[in-house]
Amino acid sequence: NAGVTQTPKFRILKIGQSMTLQCTQDMNHNYMYWYRQDPGMGLKLIYYSVGAGITDKGEVPNGYNVSRSTTEDFPLRLELAAPSQTSVYFCASSYSAQANYEQYFGPGTRLTVT
Amino acid sequence: AQTVTQSQPEMSVQEAETVTLSCTYDTSESDYYLFWYKQPPSRQMILVIRQEAYKQQNATENRFSVNFQKAAKSFSLKISDSQLGDAAMYFCAYTSDNTDKLIFGTGTRLQVFP
Repeated sequence: NAGVTQTPKFRILKIGQSMTLQCTQDMNHNYMYWYRQDPGMGLKLIYYSVGAGITDKGEVPNGYNVSRSTTEDFPLRLELAAPSQTSVYFCASSYSAQANYEQYFGPGTRLTVT
Repeated sequence: AQTVTQSQPEMSVQEAETVTLSCTYDTSESDYYLFWYKQPPSRQMILVIRQEAYKQQNATENRFSVNFQKAAKSFSLKISDSQLGDAAMYFCAYTSDNTDKLIFGTGTRLQVFP
């Protein structure tokens, strides 16, 4: 199993540009998550999904959109990039939201908006 | 709202020695789960150890163990026989069955000296 994969690994965007961060998992997990990690901080939840076709906002959803058309994929869309969105983005998945199920993380995408 | 606090931005330890990383949390829930995640320079988030609040016994995974003090809302990580590969950021995290998300602390950077 590849686990959770993310593309790209690095990206530089100009203010106002758009992009999609890709996330794929091959573990048949129902739950998927997007986090951002700002320098010196822990991870904050942007959006999450409990299954195909179902998404919900996390702690910091403004400026982002998600979709979940398949169990495997959970892309994160930035429509109008702003410097405040400079961060490292992590995708994660888990079999269930029950707390005893581990979240598996992807390797992260480092995004810089200038 | 639940919060997780890591008051040690940086810690250092000599190889083969023992180090303890601190974590406190705030919650009004009685059933919850606590985690320690390791983030090496590769950025990959790796689950180190987990503790269920209803269990009185402290969790142990090889050289890693926790000191869980439920009344004091304290959850420290002890690393015994420290190795160079233990150098990383360590994040304490909280979740419960009433929430779909992990709440992270700000992390502690651990340096290991030969």
